[in-house]
Amino acid sequence: QKEVEQNSGPLSVPEGAIASLNCTYSDRGSQSFFWYRQYSGKSPELIMSIYSNGDKEDGRFTAQLNKASQYVSLLIRDSQPSDSATYLCAVLLGGGADGLTFGKGTHLIIQP
Amino acid sequence: GAVVSQHPSWVICKSGTSVKIECRSLDFQATTMFWYRQFPKQSLMLMATSNEGSKATYEQGVEKDKFLINHASLTLSTLTVTSAHPEDSSFYICSARTRVGTTEAFFGQGTRLTVV
Repeated sequence: QKEVEQNSGPLSVPEGAIASLNCTYSDRGSQSFFWYRQYSGKSPELIMSIYSNGDKEDGRFTAQLNKASQYVSLLIRDSQPSDSATYLCAVLLGGGADGLTFGKGTHLIIQP
Repeated sequence: GAVVSQHPSWVICKSGTSVKIECRSLDFQATTMFWYRQFPKQSLMLMATSNEGSKATYEQGVEKDKFLINHASLTLSTLTVTSAHPEDSSFYICSARTRVGTTEAFFGQGTRLTVV
């Protein structure tokens, strides 16, 4: 059974600091990894995708993937109050024909 | 990103009635759409995969006769919750990929269903 695990939080980070979000997955065959941001009552918004080991940076966001450890993380630099949301880690086992498996999400709070 | 439009954004219905939710890809053709359900403080759970011109594929534990999916065109998929009950109250979200072979999925706005 495919599983994606995240610490539900809440994770409280001061404004301007780095927020670090972590995710582990159970299926070694997983090929694609995504971070989504979800505000309360809204649908998820894609932030980052990562497919190979290492780091991928996009603005204030950096995704890190370690397939050997089955671990994905998201770093948010210079955290802003508007970053306060639930961050969902999602994993895709195969290709584009498959649906995503989501973790339960980490609730992030950026303290002004 | 690509635009996926979902309608209605919220609906309240009486127990025993049916509700139809539409999911449209506005600026691309989606051969495959996905339907998810999210209960409060839970994650998104994949319900079914909707394929244009063929029967939907349902995840284990999802009743295909209760959650009817139609994907009649490359831009529209519908989910009908039949004989809805209070336990069906949830946040239903569709998603689509822009083209075959891509992996990034974009989500509709979601539909908040409340069955009273």
